[in-house]
Amino acid sequence: QSVLTQAPSVSGAPGQRVTISCTGSSSNIGAGYDVHWYRQLPGTAPKLLINGNSNRPSGVPDRFSGSKSGTSASLAITGLQAEDEADYYCQSYDSSLSGWVFGGGTKLTVL
Amino acid sequence: EVQLVESGGGLVKPGGSLRLSCAASGFTFSSFGMNWVRQAPGKGLEWVSSISSRSSYIYYADSLKDRFTISRDNAKNSLYLQMNNLRAEDTAVYYCAREGATRGGYYVDVWGKGTTVTVSS
Repeated sequence: QSVLTQAPSVSGAPGQRVTISCTGSSSNIGAGYDVHWYRQLPGTAPKLLINGNSNRPSGVPDRFSGSKSGTSASLAITGLQAEDEADYYCQSYDSSLSGWVFGGGTKLTVL
Repeated sequence: EVQLVESGGGLVKPGGSLRLSCAASGFTFSSFGMNWVRQAPGKGLEWVSSISSRSSYIYYADSLKDRFTISRDNAKNSLYLQMNNLRAEDTAVYYCAREGATRGGYYVDVWGKGTTVTVSS
């Protein structure tokens, strides 16, 4: 069981908007640690999508956006495309564990 | 081009040892913290260990600190993970990961392609 909780799956039609949530606690997200998001296409290494809750690295389309509030964070994807079908992971730091923690991952299916 | 290339994975018997290596190129290796992250088959990502740029600070996931040792050689632009007393549950793809930083924490800004470790008799 992951320290950060993500829904196992989410789906949407092409062109739609979907959100993926990441719920933590007072020792990680709620303690003020940043949340970062990664996308992992099948059979490949993860790739950074969002760092510092809402910053998009160079090359990441503005269809991807991140936010954080309290003990939770969200990744929003607008204008859904077939190539967005992948696993998405959130990550933060946990002071109780003194280490990085990941969410269990959310599989996005584009209908 | 920034690149991380892992090697050293393979099939090992329970109780055995393995040393993973990660060759870095395209950036000033000695300026970055580095990490190992693993992913068991069909499972999510799990942070394994971190090492600061000059090896001053080293951290491990609680469940691994007695068996795994992270190290680096800045002169060789290389990161290592010594894994001892391996168990079936250590079977995973092991990713070498460069560390980025925000004011509120650290993250992976560059991932290697991974090396597969299989622990089985």
